[in-house]
Amino acid sequence: DTAVSQTPKYLVTQMGNDKSIKCEQNLGHDTMYWYKQDSKKFLKIMFSYNNKELIINETVPNRFSPKSPDKAHLNLHINSLELGDSAVYFCASSQDPGARITEAFFGQGTRLTVV
Amino acid sequence: DQQVKQNSPSLSVQEGRISILNCDYTNSMFDYFLWYKKYPAEGPTFLISISSIKDKNEDGRFTVFLNKSAKHLSLHIVPSQPGDSAVYFCAASDSSNTGKLIFGQGTTLQVKP
Repeated sequence: DTAVSQTPKYLVTQMGNDKSIKCEQNLGHDTMYWYKQDSKKFLKIMFSYNNKELIINETVPNRFSPKSPDKAHLNLHINSLELGDSAVYFCASSQDPGARITEAFFGQGTRLTVV
Repeated sequence: DQQVKQNSPSLSVQEGRISILNCDYTNSMFDYFLWYKKYPAEGPTFLISISSIKDKNEDGRFTVFLNKSAKHLSLHIVPSQPGDSAVYFCAASDSSNTGKLIFGQGTTLQVKP
């Protein structure tokens, strides 16, 4: 039973399109994240939500909008896709960071290719 | 500005020998450090962590050492096994309680049979 699951695993789309990546966790965690791994393999945080409340919003273009309908789901919507958005996007979750339990559990990643 | 750095992009060791992966950080506010392991086409999986109040944490074949004065940590794998071949990421967090992790760029470990 997958703890953190993302769909789709692969996504190929044309420039200018709008696309969404879905993420669900069944660990009962309070906090969920989106990380981006670029072509240089750096993993960088984009957003985090705690109990549906936005906690972290790094310097990410406004074209990226996270949505958390409940604490088990955190979806990422991307408008007007650009070539530079091509990357692997990882969803993750963790227990309450305030408890300093910061081990995050990651999904398998979504490889987005913009052509 | 990369606050967590893994300066060795790759490492190759013989099965049964020790693997030592290194990580340096620049932010003195980091107080919790983690190592993740990643296989191709999978997400990173948590391996071991250490709080800044400790200088060593051991879990089976994996030991993490922290040298706060040098802002350096290392992961030792003894003995190394072929199944350990993966990319290893070092990560750090601070006391802001956001859960935000700052990752290094990863080191690819190859353990040869």
